[in-house]
Amino acid sequence: AQTVTQSQPEMSVQEAETVTLSCTYDTSENNYYLFWYKQPPSRQMILVIRQEAYKQQNATENRFSVNFQKAAKSFSLKISDSQLGDTAMYFCAFLNVNKLVFGAGTILRVKS
Amino acid sequence: GAGVSQSPSNKVTEKGKDVELRCDPISGHTALYWYRQSLGQGLEFLIYFQGNSAPDKSGLPSDRFSAERTGGSVSTLTIQRTQQEDSAVYLCASNYQLGPPFFGPGTRLTVL
Repeated sequence: AQTVTQSQPEMSVQEAETVTLSCTYDTSENNYYLFWYKQPPSRQMILVIRQEAYKQQNATENRFSVNFQKAAKSFSLKISDSQLGDTAMYFCAFLNVNKLVFGAGTILRVKS
Repeated sequence: GAGVSQSPSNKVTEKGKDVELRCDPISGHTALYWYRQSLGQGLEFLIYFQGNSAPDKSGLPSDRFSAERTGGSVSTLTIQRTQQEDSAVYLCASNYQLGPPFFGPGTRLTVL
């Protein structure tokens, strides 16, 4: 069975600094997708970034980028130039046919 | 609408009553997922639909919970004889094949 592990329950970062959130997963599949979602206090789940497992190049979306290490089954999220609006719970997710599995989440607090 | 919608946004009910929660996925999305999220916690998988079929209903907590999907579109999650431990936010997501799942705003259920 697929599992997703986020080992950091909470993290803090100063505004304008860089922070990295960790995620590891376990699967025997070869074709899958990985995502990071942001959930602010409004509770709406917002897609931040996605990575196709067959692509070696790491995905980037503005200030958000990932470090995807397929052999190590690691998928970390880097947030550059952190902003107060980045304060939220962040979830790592794994998707393949019939399965969408989430990690436990990391609460990120951006401090001014 | 362009996004996933859920209704009602909030539901307060008395212990022992039945409730129905509705999810309208994005048009054309064949897969639909239901999750439950307790306050400040992660996402608990409930059930997954592919079209009108539910190949994975392993997350339904008890036989008081049921769900259906009709016309490959709208889904209804029904909780019978609600208990206080059913209080949570119920989230719905949809996607097409291995595209990114998009979430609705959720229904906050409070059982008094």
